[in-house]
Amino acid sequence: EADIYQTPRYLVIGTGKKITLECSQTMGHDKMYWYQQDPGMELHLIHYSYGVNSTEKGDLSSESTVSRIRTEHFPLTLESARPSHTSQYLCASSEPGVGEQYFGPGTRLTVT
Amino acid sequence: GIQVEQSPPDLILQEGANSTLRCNFSDSVNNLQWFHQNPWGQLINLFYIPSGTKQNGRLSATTVATERYSLLYISSSQTTDSGVYFCAASYNFNKFYFGSGTKLNVKP
Repeated sequence: EADIYQTPRYLVIGTGKKITLECSQTMGHDKMYWYQQDPGMELHLIHYSYGVNSTEKGDLSSESTVSRIRTEHFPLTLESARPSHTSQYLCASSEPGVGEQYFGPGTRLTVT
Repeated sequence: GIQVEQSPPDLILQEGANSTLRCNFSDSVNNLQWFHQNPWGQLINLFYIPSGTKQNGRLSATTVATERYSLLYISSSQTTDSGVYFCAASYNFNKFYFGSGTKLNVKP
């Protein structure tokens, strides 16, 4: 079944640690996105990709980085986690042309 | 980017009541979606509706692109409808802009 997956679903980590949030999709979509969302608030785009070897920064400045080596995989990395990075991170992909977005289940990150 | 405004910010309904959620956007769009965020944080696609009207069960949506707004109708609300409803708009199929959401609480 075509879907979009995120791991881990929940992560509690100490300050200064390096973390990678995984996102994979089996829908064959070229475009993928990372959003950051604080509880009860709107979603902010932090990174997006048009396809392999393409990455762009979104409207919300983020200390995270992304890579797109394979169509189906779009990981997000924080080199040194800080408490200000505590948030929910949502990955999405969209159909070509039409552009309808589909979201993964999200990763809730807590940095202590 | 596109400014997206949703109203009302909060809504409390008695089970069985009907409601209308509104999404205004500041510029022409060619993609407009409605999502429901459940208590576990997952965003569920409700409608892809850049223009026109669609219906899915008790939910329906209408977008009037020339007047820059979209409406989401919920009829005969159920407690499982509770959560946050977001609309998102895009004008180039690349970047999507989200509203701040309508938090719906349906009481039994």
